[in-house]
Amino acid sequence: GEQVEQLPSILRVQEGSSASINCSYEDSASNYFPWYKQEPGENPKLIIDIRSNMERKQIQELIVLLDKKAKRFSLHITDTQPGDSAMYFCAASANYGNEKITFGAGTKLTIKP
Amino acid sequence: NSKVIQTPRYLVKGQGQKAKMRCIPEKGHPVVFWYQQNKNNEFKFLINFQNQEVLQQIDMTEKRFSAECPSNSPCSLEIQSSEAGDSALYLCASTLSTYEQYFGPGTRLTVL
Repeated sequence: GEQVEQLPSILRVQEGSSASINCSYEDSASNYFPWYKQEPGENPKLIIDIRSNMERKQIQELIVLLDKKAKRFSLHITDTQPGDSAMYFCAASANYGNEKITFGAGTKLTIKP
Repeated sequence: NSKVIQTPRYLVKGQGQKAKMRCIPEKGHPVVFWYQQNKNNEFKFLINFQNQEVLQQIDMTEKRFSAECPSNSPCSLEIQSSEAGDSALYLCASTLSTYEQYFGPGTRLTVL
């Protein structure tokens, strides 16, 4: 089955700077790549996603890049704020909308004031 | 924001006891997923349904869990005989057969 690797596992950045999380996947059939943000005691919330027909997507301060050839995708948070501190999970899914999602191991992001 | 409803939010069971949790998917969403998130934040896919039919499930689910999604009733996931290693957050997600999966608040199971 699909394997998703996520790095780094811990990330600390200064408020106002950018944070980047990198993921890679193995299954070339994967064509959907969501990102989830999870705060302590809460459920994961979908914050941005990208499909394989795109290379870049931006929603406000969130930018997702996808390199299908290298099987890599990344999340970039620009102008980080304290509220961005959380666990972030990348994920991959193949082919159809009813396919399971395979998650990365997560990145604990801390924004330093 | 997700409109998936999960009950109960917290569940405490002794080893060997049954543990049952429920999920009401977002209205109109025919596809339902169950995932387990352990204390190390690792996700494990358990089972998914389209309407009332099982699409995929892992071996553990087939052997130790009982799950269903009857029409006009909540979906349910039941561990037949709880083990300490089952302590985790159980997340239900639904989708409109598109790609996005929205999670409910989860049921946090503690097996003593």
